[in-house]
Amino acid sequence: GQQLNQSPQSMFIQEGEDVSMNCTSSSIFNTWLWYKQEPGEGPVLLIALYKAGELTSNGRLTAQFGITRKDSFLNISASIPSDVGIYFCAGLQTGANNLFFGTGTRLTVIP
Amino acid sequence: DSGVTQTPKHLITATGQRVTLRCSPRSGDLSVYWYQQSLDQGLQFLIQYYNGEERAKGNILERFSAQQFPDLHSELNLSSLELGDSALYFCASSVGYEQYFGPGTRLTVT
Repeated sequence: GQQLNQSPQSMFIQEGEDVSMNCTSSSIFNTWLWYKQEPGEGPVLLIALYKAGELTSNGRLTAQFGITRKDSFLNISASIPSDVGIYFCAGLQTGANNLFFGTGTRLTVIP
Repeated sequence: DSGVTQTPKHLITATGQRVTLRCSPRSGDLSVYWYQQSLDQGLQFLIQYYNGEERAKGNILERFSAQQFPDLHSELNLSSLELGDSALYFCASSVGYEQYFGPGTRLTVT
């Protein structure tokens, strides 16, 4: 299947700091989704992106659909302890029915 | 709460056994997807059903099968279980591109 690489693999940050993470692929995607997963829970959809260059916000979260359509970025501003979890990107290709998930970025927020 | 329900929450069984996992999609969603997530790993797509028909297949073992019923709920059947099948199994449903996940079933094979 397609490989979506996320970086960094893990992050330890102080409460109040901003966070940036990205997701890259060697293939083109026409939809990017960002999910957050907490331990023992299912992934929760945060943001959906449908057009190259699109910038979409959801509260303190902002995500961008890369211009090359091979990458996407997620920023979290002014992090808080409840932001802790694993953030996954997921991409959908033209004509495909299933999402390909990234390897995840584990975020730890230190109060 | 995503609106997707899965039962059971936990399942412990022995090698060689067979289990059935159940998923009820969000009201109105016709597509159901099944994913496997091993310890601290990403989600691996197994199979998709759309309105009762198989639509796409991913890395699903031959020992695994699924179906979607007329009321749109879906079941994932896992047989001849091996230790390596221990994982979280999620279903998701969608009406468009956005998939909404259930809380998962944690399967432990001993």
